[in-house]
Amino acid sequence: AQKVTQAQTEISVVEKEDVTLDCVYETRDTTYYLFWYKQPPSGELVFLIRRNSFDEQNEISGRYSWNFQKSTSSFNFTITASQVVDSAVYFCALSEALLVNFGNEKLTFGTGTRLTIIP
Amino acid sequence: NAGVTQTPKFQVLKTGQSMTLQCAQDMNHEYMSWYRQDPGMGLRLIHYSVGAGITDQGEVPNGYNVSRSTTEDFPLRLLSAAPSQTSVYFCASTISVRGRVTGELFFGEGSRLTVL
Repeated sequence: AQKVTQAQTEISVVEKEDVTLDCVYETRDTTYYLFWYKQPPSGELVFLIRRNSFDEQNEISGRYSWNFQKSTSSFNFTITASQVVDSAVYFCALSEALLVNFGNEKLTFGTGTRLTIIP
Repeated sequence: NAGVTQTPKFQVLKTGQSMTLQCAQDMNHEYMSWYRQDPGMGLRLIHYSVGAGITDQGEVPNGYNVSRSTTEDFPLRLLSAAPSQTSVYFCASTISVRGRVTGELFFGEGSRLTVL
């Protein structure tokens, strides 16, 4: 069974500090996708990034960066020079399909990390 | 751009009542799903569908029914509401390729349900 662990329940940092959100996953599949979503206080879910299991290249998007390491089954998310607008709950998610048949695909979310940026 | 539309946004029910949460998407996505979000539990999959006429259970399906008669609509039915079903419900859709969720999920705005 697939599993996603976000061990950090809550994190608080002072504005402009860097912060890393951890995500560790478990899967038996060789092909899978990893995602990060943001849920700001307004409640909607915002897609941030998708990574497939064959692409271990790290990605940077502005102040956001993601470190994918298959060796440790981790897909960590770093915010550089944090801002108050980064305050949100962040979810890591995993998609796999052990069988290439309809009815076996699922997207599993971690329990989320609540990030608070203190002005 | 409508995207994924959920109704109602808020609902209060009494124990034992039934209701349907509506979900519609206009992106021609084959894959649709329902999640519930509870404090400390993250998002848990209730039911999902990979196309019209095809549905399957997720992690927490008990007490909920779904059907998929069209590509656009994926209603979630609570048969006999219980206080344990108090939650925020999210509908989501995406493209699926060969049985995998390969793209981003597009979420509705959520429906907050309270069961007294």
